[in-house]
Amino acid sequence: GENVEQHPSTLSVQEGDSAVIKCTYSDSASNYFPWYKQELGKGPQLIIDIRSNVGEKKDQRIAVTLNKTAKHFSLHITETQPEDSAVYFCAATSYSSASKIIFGSGTRLSIRP
Amino acid sequence: DADVTQTPRNRITKTGKRIMLECSQTKGHDRMYWYRQDPGLGLQLIYYSFDVKDINKGEISDGYSVSRQAQAKFSLSLESAIPNQTALYFCATSDPMTGGSLAEQFFGPGTRLTVL
Repeated sequence: GENVEQHPSTLSVQEGDSAVIKCTYSDSASNYFPWYKQELGKGPQLIIDIRSNVGEKKDQRIAVTLNKTAKHFSLHITETQPEDSAVYFCAATSYSSASKIIFGSGTRLSIRP
Repeated sequence: DADVTQTPRNRITKTGKRIMLECSQTKGHDRMYWYRQDPGLGLQLIYYSFDVKDINKGEISDGYSVSRQAQAKFSLSLESAIPNQTALYFCATSDPMTGGSLAEQFFGPGTRLTVL
C-alpha cells in the first residue's frame, strides 16, 4: 500500500522568510496530493492540492510542486506570517483508493516574530 | 468546521470500559470517516462509510467498531478500551459529487480520549 514520508517534523522560521515542507510517496498509482493545515484545537483543513497532471500550483503565498518521477512533492510558503503557525500534513491518494487518503506524519511550523 | 460536530470533545475513561464517540454533520455528505491522530504519526484511517448501508475497515480497525445510524451520523465505539487507544480522534466527511475519491475531506474538531 501507499506510504507517505514527511520532513521535517518541526520547522521554525523568521516571520517574512519562506518555509518548505517535503514529502515522498511510494505508490506510483497515487495521483492526488492534498495538503492540510491543522491549527491548535481544530481539525485539519485543506489548504491546497495538486493532481498528477500538473507540476506546480500556486494560491497566493502558498505553492505546491510535484515531481512524479522522483515521487516527491513539496509545500512552499512565502512571506510567512504568524497565522501560518500550525501543523501541516501532506497526503496522497488515487482514483482507485476509494477515498482512502494516506497522510504524512505532519510538520509543526512555528513562525518567529 | 462547524458543519461537522463531535461529542464529547474530551473523555477520560478506564481500561475495559465501553466508549462511544459520536459524529454529526449538516453538510449533506454521503461519505464519512473516522481517523486517529497520534503525535508523530499523522492521521490513520480507522473506518469509513460511503452511505448508510456501507461500512469499510481502514488501516487500524482492530479494537474499534462503527455504526452509521443515518446519513448525518457516524459513531465510533471502543468495546473495551485500552491505554494505547489514548489519542485524538477525528471524524470527517466528503462529497463524491465534487471530485469522487479525490474530494476534499472536512474534519470535525476532534475528541481527545484518554484511557487510564
